[in-house]
Amino acid sequence: DQQVKQNSPSLSVQEGRISILNCDYTNSMFDYFLWYKKYPAEGPTFLISISSIKDKNEDGRFTVFLNKSAKHLSLHIVPSQPGDSAVYFCAASGYGGSQGNLIFGKGTKLSVKP
Amino acid sequence: DAGVIQSPRHEVTEMGQEVTLRCKPISGHNSLFWYRQTMMRGLELLIYFNNNVPIDDSGMPEDRFSAKMPNASFSTLKIQPSEPRDSAVYFCASSLRGNGEQYFGPGTRLTVT
Repeated sequence: DQQVKQNSPSLSVQEGRISILNCDYTNSMFDYFLWYKKYPAEGPTFLISISSIKDKNEDGRFTVFLNKSAKHLSLHIVPSQPGDSAVYFCAASGYGGSQGNLIFGKGTKLSVKP
Repeated sequence: DAGVIQSPRHEVTEMGQEVTLRCKPISGHNSLFWYRQTMMRGLELLIYFNNNVPIDDSGMPEDRFSAKMPNASFSTLKIQPSEPRDSAVYFCASSLRGNGEQYFGPGTRLTVT
């Protein structure tokens, strides 16, 4: 049973517009969430994270929102750029991330069209 | 900083052969993770080490898989004997314990024919 779900396998957005990637989780013990970006033939790279004590974390064009009651988080990219085209993975961990054991979703492929 | 280094980048082998994948974590990181990525199952954690000690190997699919970390700068993942269903991309990642951010290597694409 998947504990971290990304229900949209792909998303297409026009350059300059907002990209919204969604992620749902089932395990209420998760208290630390991360987003990774992956280009073809490369390993995933860390993008942004959020602790469950917050509901929003922002880093430049990237913002992650956490809704604990709904067990849902989302990544907003504004404005989207062609270089953002990649597969985005949501990941979750318990114990504030201190255990380091991440559970990943299956990813959403984002295509940003010029 | 060279990042996490994995070798080989590509491996093609025949069923029944032994395969050894190698990983050098980022210097100073004390946690190391081995993942497998497939289309069907996505990115799965196989095993992770803290301070060279295996902590959780519940993701290792079966006894054909084994992993070692003889020192802080080197780890291996071995498959013996290999089977076609082992074909996947294997990633190694490292992190500082207490920090959920993991840094991934470029992966090894394994094909077992």
